[in-house]
Amino acid sequence: EVQLVESGGGLVQPGGSLRLSCSASGFTFSNYRMHWVRQAPGKGLDYVSAINSNGDSTYYADSVKGRFTISRDNSKNTLYLQMTSLRPEDTAVYYCVKYNFDYWGQGTRVTVSS
Amino acid sequence: EIVMTQSPATLSVSPGERATLSCRASQSVSNNLAWFQQRPGQAPRLLIFAASTRATGFPARFSGSGSGTEFTLTISSLQSEDFAVYYCQQYNRWPLLTFGGGTKVEIK
Repeated sequence: EVQLVESGGGLVQPGGSLRLSCSASGFTFSNYRMHWVRQAPGKGLDYVSAINSNGDSTYYADSVKGRFTISRDNSKNTLYLQMTSLRPEDTAVYYCVKYNFDYWGQGTRVTVSS
Repeated sequence: EIVMTQSPATLSVSPGERATLSCRASQSVSNNLAWFQQRPGQAPRLLIFAASTRATGFPARFSGSGSGTEFTLTISSLQSEDFAVYYCQQYNRWPLLTFGGGTKVEIK
């Protein structure tokens, strides 16, 4: 059974940093592109970032470019999102998503507020 | 950026009735269109991909159609568990994929 479990969310002040993790199981993690998608409170889905299977190609939405870094450790079956210079508008639930969006984690909540 | 516009924003339907949701792309996305269902407090679930292929676990009352710029999700006879928010997503030009704003299907 495919499972994606996010962690690392929490309350952070504007300008602060957080690192999200996504632990994957039930499939060959190293074979698949992975994504991060976020959802602000009461809002729709927002595509944030992606990384290819071996980690040498990445994508970022303009809204996070230069502030967020996606990475992965295929030996640990784990996806990461390092978030810096956080802004109130980054407040959202962050979902880890497998390749063709067929599996989603339950999300981890990030709140950016003073 | 390809803009995805969903309508209506909210659809009020009685159980057992048919629901028709629309998704329009600002330019052609061929059939590279997916639909997701999101129930309250839950993560989205892939419902339809390639515009009309139902994902595992969804019953035949869900169907998708369309190509190019106009797409439709139809729920033939709404059940209680179908009341949710539905999002469309185009993936024609990865990584420049985009989501629509969503349609909330609520009980009339």
